[in-house]
Amino acid sequence: NAGVTQTPKFRILKIGQSMTLQCTQDMNHNYMYWYRQDPGMGLKLIYYSVGAGITDKGEVPNGYNVSRSTTEDFPLRLELAAPSQTSVYFCASSYPKETQYFGPGTRLLVL
Amino acid sequence: KQEVTQIPAALSVPEGENLVLNCSFTDSAIYNLQWFRQDPGKGLTSLLLIQSSQREQTSGRLNASLDKSSGRSTLYIAASQPGDSATYLCAVQVTGANSKLTFGKGITLSVRP
Repeated sequence: NAGVTQTPKFRILKIGQSMTLQCTQDMNHNYMYWYRQDPGMGLKLIYYSVGAGITDKGEVPNGYNVSRSTTEDFPLRLELAAPSQTSVYFCASSYPKETQYFGPGTRLLVL
Repeated sequence: KQEVTQIPAALSVPEGENLVLNCSFTDSAIYNLQWFRQDPGKGLTSLLLIQSSQREQTSGRLNASLDKSSGRSTLYIAASQPGDSATYLCAVQVTGANSKLTFGKGITLSVRP
């Protein structure tokens, strides 16, 4: 039981490039979430999903896209990377109204 | 809009001290409140979850309390150890919000040997 896994661990992007952050969970959780964490700040919700085929915006969705074709996977797509997207990205999953389980994070630097 | 505040941002204590970390929130219509631990460069680990109908939860040396009416929660750590050094984040799940969490900025705790 690996829990929530994220790849890559670290990535450097140039301004304008695109990339996909991968997230997989093996706990059969319906709900999945993407957060970003900036230094000295709490976590901000980017997008979330309550089940396969269903996604919705969180607090800071601009510049990102998601899809949820399976229960296990919830990739986050960055189009046209900008320096403001330099951050640490966390994926999490849970059953409804239960504890959220977090992945180890992806550190992204946009130069 | 729900806001979660954790003050102070950082705390340093000597080993063995009992300590309390505070969390306040503005909207009392919450489903639950969760405390997480984050080690440097790592993800978040859930410590305790308190349902809105509960007053407290305990796990080992940790005890979390919830006072919904006043919008406050505390995390009590007994007999602190250097291994407790980490950032502690409080998060609330608002009723009817599809299990979304609103986080505080966290308290960075340093326990000196």
